Amino acid sequence: EAGVAQSPRYKIIEKRQSVAFWCNPISGHATLYWYQQILGQGPKLLIQFQNNGVVDDSQLPKDRFSAERLKGVDSTLKIQPAKLEDSAVYLCASSLGIFGYEQYFGPGTRLTVT
Amino acid sequence: DAKTTQPNSMESNEEEPVHLPCNHSTISGTDYIHWYRQLPSQGPEYVIHGLTSNVNNRMASLAIAEDRKSSTLILHRATLRDAAVYYCILNTNAGKSTFGDGTTLTVKP
Repeated sequence: EAGVAQSPRYKIIEKRQSVAFWCNPISGHATLYWYQQILGQGPKLLIQFQNNGVVDDSQLPKDRFSAERLKGVDSTLKIQPAKLEDSAVYLCASSLGIFGYEQYFGPGTRLTVT
Repeated sequence: DAKTTQPNSMESNEEEPVHLPCNHSTISGTDYIHWYRQLPSQGPEYVIHGLTSNVNNRMASLAIAEDRKSSTLILHRATLRDAAVYYCILNTNAGKSTFGDGTTLTVKP
């Protein structure tokens, strides 16, 4: 079966610009996650969806980050305006459910903010 | 958040077994123990998970202590391709899974 797809794979922007990332989860997976991974650290959960509803967005910087999952399938994560400290890899993952199921990760989008 | 503690780094020789420890002393009765690994420049990859009993799959074995406050991921014969960062996380019934900084495994030929 096809894995989690993400695009773009790489993005370079200047600070204060906006950027959007796209994720297509594995077919049939109800739960979708967005993580931020700064170099040398483990992934940090930004937001978690169950179908098209938000389960956890407690660590999402809501003044600049937004995410949506229309129709409970694809998802987009947006940053506006970007800051230098947003430079990181943004990982999307999906799972069949929120409890007891393994997560499958996409390849990530490497964002560089200059 | 449910917290785990892992050594920062470990080394192994190729074709020898590797035992990666994880402490989770605050685990609650319904939390699952999950292991993932991340190869350089890739997203994390699921390895194995368990609740109370030891688990085996084609990649590894998971040994869970009787009190569930610790677990060990066992790679039976390490290869160079097993060099990665290994994450032990707890999956709670609220759906939370918090990644720490993991253990960086180096495999020497």
